[in-house]
Amino acid sequence: QQQLQESGPGLVKPSETLSLTCTASGVSITTSNYYWAWIRQPPGKGLEWIGSIFYSGNSYYNPSLKNRVTMSVDTSKNQFSLKMHSVTAADTAVFYCASHLWFGEFDYWGPGALVTVSS
Amino acid sequence: DIQMTQSPSSVSAFVGDRVTITCRASQGIGHYLVWYQQKPGKAPKSLIFGASSLQSGVPSRFSGSGSGTDFTLTISSLQPEDFAIYYCQQYQSYPRTFGQGTKVEMK
Repeated sequence: QQQLQESGPGLVKPSETLSLTCTASGVSITTSNYYWAWIRQPPGKGLEWIGSIFYSGNSYYNPSLKNRVTMSVDTSKNQFSLKMHSVTAADTAVFYCASHLWFGEFDYWGPGALVTVSS
Repeated sequence: DIQMTQSPSSVSAFVGDRVTITCRASQGIGHYLVWYQQKPGKAPKSLIFGASSLQSGVPSRFSGSGSGTDFTLTISSLQPEDFAIYYCQQYQSYPRTFGQGTKVEMK
């Protein structure tokens, strides 16, 4: 059974860097054709795709966030990660990691991790 | 970017009602559309992919239709467990984009 689990600090100060890791179990990050994504949802609001990465490191980011976002993959740990720089209160959200095929829906999701940006 | 617009933003209905939610894409996306259901405190769950294919394990009262720019999610007979927020999302191109959501509430 494929599972994803987000982890990382729940509180980040304004102007600092938000860092989250997603650990996959029951599936290899190097599975052919699968991409690994981050999606966020501010409290009480809708869903926003942040970016997707292939195990080779090839990545795609939302242009609205591109300058502040970096994703990476650690195949030895079966994990992928998100860094979001220069955060503000507007970045407070539940962050989900998910998987998808190139032309596919987000089929498996982690339970989500709330990250609050506050001093 | 492809904009996804859902309507209505909320709907009040009784158990047993037929509920229809629409999603319009700002440009053609073929059949690359998925419908998710999200309950409070939970991750979204895929119901319909490819605009009209029912995800395994999803009750047959859910159905999807459409192609190109106009899509519909229909719940044929609303059940208590169906009260939730529903999102459409296109996966024809990057950036992946979602509709703003439709909240199905109990009348």
